[in-house]
Amino acid sequence: AQKVTQAQTEISVVEKEDVTLDCVYETRDTTYYLFWYKQPPSGELVFLIRRNSFDEQNEISGRYSWNFQKSTSSFNFTITASQVVDSAVYFCALTQGGSEKLVFGKGTKLTVNP
Amino acid sequence: DGGITQSPKYLFRKEGQNVTLSCEQNLNHDAMYWYRQDPGQGLRLIYYSQIVNDFQKGDIAEGYSVSREKKESFPLTVTSAQKNPTAFYLCASSILDWDDNEQFFGPGTRLTVL
Repeated sequence: AQKVTQAQTEISVVEKEDVTLDCVYETRDTTYYLFWYKQPPSGELVFLIRRNSFDEQNEISGRYSWNFQKSTSSFNFTITASQVVDSAVYFCALTQGGSEKLVFGKGTKLTVNP
Repeated sequence: DGGITQSPKYLFRKEGQNVTLSCEQNLNHDAMYWYRQDPGQGLRLIYYSQIVNDFQKGDIAEGYSVSREKKESFPLTVTSAQKNPTAFYLCASSILDWDDNEQFFGPGTRLTVL
């Protein structure tokens, strides 16, 4: 069965610090997708990134970067020079069984203090 | 503007009453999903639909029902059989393309059963 583990329940940093959110997944599928979503206090989930299982290239988008390593079944997310607006709950998710269905981790609550 | 709307944002009901949560999308997406989120938990899939007049149970379908009479609409009914209905409910949609499969979320409905 698919499973996503986000071991960090809450993280608190001071503005401008770098922070890494961990995501470890389990799947028997050979083809799968991993996602990161952001949930600000308003509640709506915002899509951040999708990565398929055949593409292990790291990705950078502005202050955000993602490190995908199949060898350790991890898909970690780093925010560089964090800002107060980054405060949110971040979810990692994995496709189930070759379908569009997702299984989510429990999320990491990030608080960035001024 | 294209997007997903959920109404109402907050809903209060007495125990034992059925309640229907609305979800509408104008993104022309084929697939729609309902998730439940409890405090400190990830999202859990209740029901999903890939085509009009067809839907499948997710991981926690007991006590819930859905319909998909129109492509744009996927209402969720929380029945009196649901033992712990108080939660945050999120609706999502996606296209049915394995290589373009991110889900887009609505703003959510917070249901409180008194």
